[in-house]
Amino acid sequence: DVKVTQSSRYLVKRTGEKVFLECVQDMDHENMFWYRQDPGLGLRLIYFSYDVKMKEKGDIPEGYSVSREKKERFSLILESASTNQTSMYLCASRLAGVGELFFGEGSRLTVL
Amino acid sequence: EDQVTQSPEALRLQEGESSSLNCSYTVSGLRGLFWYRQDPGKGPEFLFTLYSAGEEKEKERLKATLTKKESFLHITAPKPEDSATYLCAVQAGGDTGRRALTFGSGTRLQVQP
Repeated sequence: DVKVTQSSRYLVKRTGEKVFLECVQDMDHENMFWYRQDPGLGLRLIYFSYDVKMKEKGDIPEGYSVSREKKERFSLILESASTNQTSMYLCASRLAGVGELFFGEGSRLTVL
Repeated sequence: EDQVTQSPEALRLQEGESSSLNCSYTVSGLRGLFWYRQDPGKGPEFLFTLYSAGEEKEKERLKATLTKKESFLHITAPKPEDSATYLCAVQAGGDTGRRALTFGSGTRLQVQP
C-alpha cells in the first residue's frame, strides 16, 4: 500500500513564525501535491511538483513556498505565518500523469 | 477554469435508505473523475476513478456513474459506517499545468441507525 506520511498532525504557531510542513511518500511517485482544506471551500491546490526540483503554482500559492530536493519528500514552507493560514494541510502523491492521488492524514495548523 | 459542484451539501439518511450524491463538472477535456471518502480529521481515501461517459464502478454499497456533465455516487442500503464526507474531483487534459485535481466542496453524509 502507498503510504504518505505528514510529519506533524497538529501544530500551533505564532504570527510571523516560519513553518515547515514535511511530507514523505514511500512508493517512488513522481508527482506530489499540497492542498489546504477549509470548511465550505473544499480542497484548494497550493503547489505541486511533477518531478524532483520541479514545481508549479496552484490556485493559492501566495504566502507559501515549496521544496523538493528528493523524490520522496515534498516540503511546504510558510515564510511568515499569518492567522489566515490556519487550516488543514493535505499532502498527496501520484505515480505520474493521470490517476488517483494518495493522501496523507493531514496537518492541522493553527496560527495565533 | 475547471469547476466541480457537489450536491447536496449535507444528507441525512436512515439506515437502509438508498440515495444518490451528485457531482456536476465543467472541465476542458476530462482525463478522469475521482471519488473520495473523507472521515473527520483524516485525509481523503480513494474510492473510484471514471474515465469516460457511460462508465460505472462498484464497491460494496457504492456505485459511481459518469455522464458528460455529471457523476453520481449511488449508495444502496447504507449503514452508519458509511457516514463520511464524499468528495468528487476532476483532472483536465491539456498541458503540464493541469496535472492536479480540482475538488468539489463535498457532501457530508450521515446515516442514522
